[in-house]
Amino acid sequence: AQSVSQHNHHVILSEAASLELGCNYSYGGTVNLFWYVQYPGQHLQLLLKYFSGDPLVKGIKGFEAEFIKSKFSFNLRKPSVQWSDTAEYFCAVSFYNQGGKLIFGQGTELSVKP
Amino acid sequence: GAVVSQHPSWVICKSGTSVKIECRSLDFQATTMFWYRQFPKQSLMLMATSNEGSKATYEQGVEKDKFLINHASLTLSTLTVTSAHPEDSSFYICSARDPDGWEGYQETQYFGPGTRLLVL
Repeated sequence: AQSVSQHNHHVILSEAASLELGCNYSYGGTVNLFWYVQYPGQHLQLLLKYFSGDPLVKGIKGFEAEFIKSKFSFNLRKPSVQWSDTAEYFCAVSFYNQGGKLIFGQGTELSVKP
Repeated sequence: GAVVSQHPSWVICKSGTSVKIECRSLDFQATTMFWYRQFPKQSLMLMATSNEGSKATYEQGVEKDKFLINHASLTLSTLTVTSAHPEDSSFYICSARDPDGWEGYQETQYFGPGTRLLVL
């Protein structure tokens, strides 16, 4: 079965530290890749997405992610986190010709200490 | 653009009653919407795909008669939790497919704010 896994359940960082959140998926076919963020008490917001082309994609709020096809990975990065980045981060994958259904990873809770 | 709303934002009901949750695309037409369920500290689980003008497609393990979905217009999908029980208490989230996407291939989903259901 197709699946998405996020390596870290809870990450705690100090402000200005660098962030990398891992995401791997199981399927070897053509995929669309997403990172969503859920701030406390708010709804899911799209951070960035990859459809095709340059495997390094830049999103909002200084986030970026790199698609490495050979590793089935789509890791999220930010060079310097802020307290306001405290949130839950979800990696999600949709598979071509699957009606657009998204499969989510388990989520990573990021806590940034001021 | 691409704003999705849900109503109500939270609801408390007695066991055995039915609860209807609305999902609306505010500034675009959505032929397809999705319903998810999220338990505390857990990920989103897709329940069903709601297609305008046709029957919803349910994921394996989701009871069709329990979770009734109606997508009667291009901007509205409803989820009705019938004969709700405490185990149905959860956070229900809907999303709508980006109208400018390439259907089934390159597309983005935009999410509503969710509805928190508590069944007593």
